[in-house]
Amino acid sequence: DAMVIQNPRYQVTQFGKPVTLSCSQTLNHNVMYWYQQKSSQAPKLLFHYYDKDFNNEADTPDNFQSRRPNTSFCFLDIRSPGLGDAAMYLCATSRGYPYGYTFGSGTRLTVV
Amino acid sequence: GQQLNQSPQSMFIQEGEDVSMNCTSSSIFNTWLWYKQEPGEGPVLLIALYKAGELTSNGRLTAQFGITRKDSFLNISASIPSDVGIYFCAGQLGETSGSRLTFGEGTQLTVNP
Repeated sequence: DAMVIQNPRYQVTQFGKPVTLSCSQTLNHNVMYWYQQKSSQAPKLLFHYYDKDFNNEADTPDNFQSRRPNTSFCFLDIRSPGLGDAAMYLCATSRGYPYGYTFGSGTRLTVV
Repeated sequence: GQQLNQSPQSMFIQEGEDVSMNCTSSSIFNTWLWYKQEPGEGPVLLIALYKAGELTSNGRLTAQFGITRKDSFLNISASIPSDVGIYFCAGQLGETSGSRLTFGEGTQLTVNP
């Protein structure tokens, strides 16, 4: 089945130690998004790629970076995770407007 | 930026009851979507609405796109235990905004058998 796959499902990292979360898709969608979601809150958009064009949200901390080496893969890099960065990180893809998103199952990040 | 007000924040109901939740916005959206999220999983699309006034059903779920384009509601009829989860509304403005979704704060639904 075509889908959005996030690895790992659970990630524990040390305070200040760089961590990378990955997302892959078999849908061939040209738009990929990274959202941060904290305890039952609404997902918050961090950034998105429209093909190779990177679009950062104004309030996304510099600590968060992203790479999209090809259509299928997108990575979220957290350069120096703090305790406040513990959250569920959701990857989503879309064909673009007006189509909705397909979300992955998320990566639960714990910072110790 | 745009904000969505979703209510109620939580609901505790008995199996078999009908459920209604809604979202309002201070500005218009061109698309409204409803997602369900279960614990430890990503949101799953339930219903997408593309035209003002549109009423769409998906099994026991019915959603409407408000005439003013500033609101939407979701109804669930004859609830069952597997309806438990968080329901999010989301608005989408258009291509120029990167097709980004603006999410409501969610409605936590609990269904007692």
